[in-house]
Amino acid sequence: QSALTQPRSVSGSPGQSVTISCTGTSSDVGASNLVSWYQQHPGKAPKLIIFDVSKWPSGVPDRFSGSKSGNTASLTISALQADDEGDYYCCSYAGNYKWAFGGGTQVTVL
Amino acid sequence: QITLKESGPTLVKPTQTLTLTCSVSGFSLTTGGVAVGWIRQPPGKALEWLAIIYWDDDRRYISSLANRLTITQDSSDNQVVLTMTNMDPADTATYYCAAMRYYYDDGHWREARFDPWGQGILVTVSS
Repeated sequence: QSALTQPRSVSGSPGQSVTISCTGTSSDVGASNLVSWYQQHPGKAPKLIIFDVSKWPSGVPDRFSGSKSGNTASLTISALQADDEGDYYCCSYAGNYKWAFGGGTQVTVL
Repeated sequence: QITLKESGPTLVKPTQTLTLTCSVSGFSLTTGGVAVGWIRQPPGKALEWLAIIYWDDDRRYISSLANRLTITQDSSDNQVVLTMTNMDPADTATYYCAAMRYYYDDGHWREARFDPWGQGILVTVSS
């Protein structure tokens, strides 16, 4: 299994929206809805923010939304806030009961 | 409430074997629809999935490290152990364990996700 492809960085001003892509193949992202997203602040463990492509865990604001088209999943952060700064990782089922993470995207709030 | 905590050495020498333990509370490792995975993160780099053990003792490994990794679970202590042989400075990373929950619906996995995560343990490989 290979790492999923994410842009290295995205940025936006407070109140704007940013979208992070996560590109895989028909063997992972394209094969199921088992795509999840994680937010990581410096020095902290990752935190789940989206699972099953577009579902929210309890306590995660709906400013975070997920979608998928073909082999590419996307995370959109709406109404960007300063606390949204950090690294974001996608994760996908990669077949054969294995998993793969993306290369990570740094979100900067200008 | 589900919690996980990693423990083990923070410094190992090259060629040594690393043994990390993930202590789990809040659910039983043998409950259907659960798993525990190990994920690592070299300093300043991305997350990398390493291994996972499912409730039925099914074990999977990242292909590139499969010959160096072993994951086991001790259901009596509710712990998951990861061993990595022949450690190299390139293996310096923060190692996380994370719980996975999922269910089957009409033959398909649903809602599989790594949540929650342990705090992580930084392992440095140096002579």
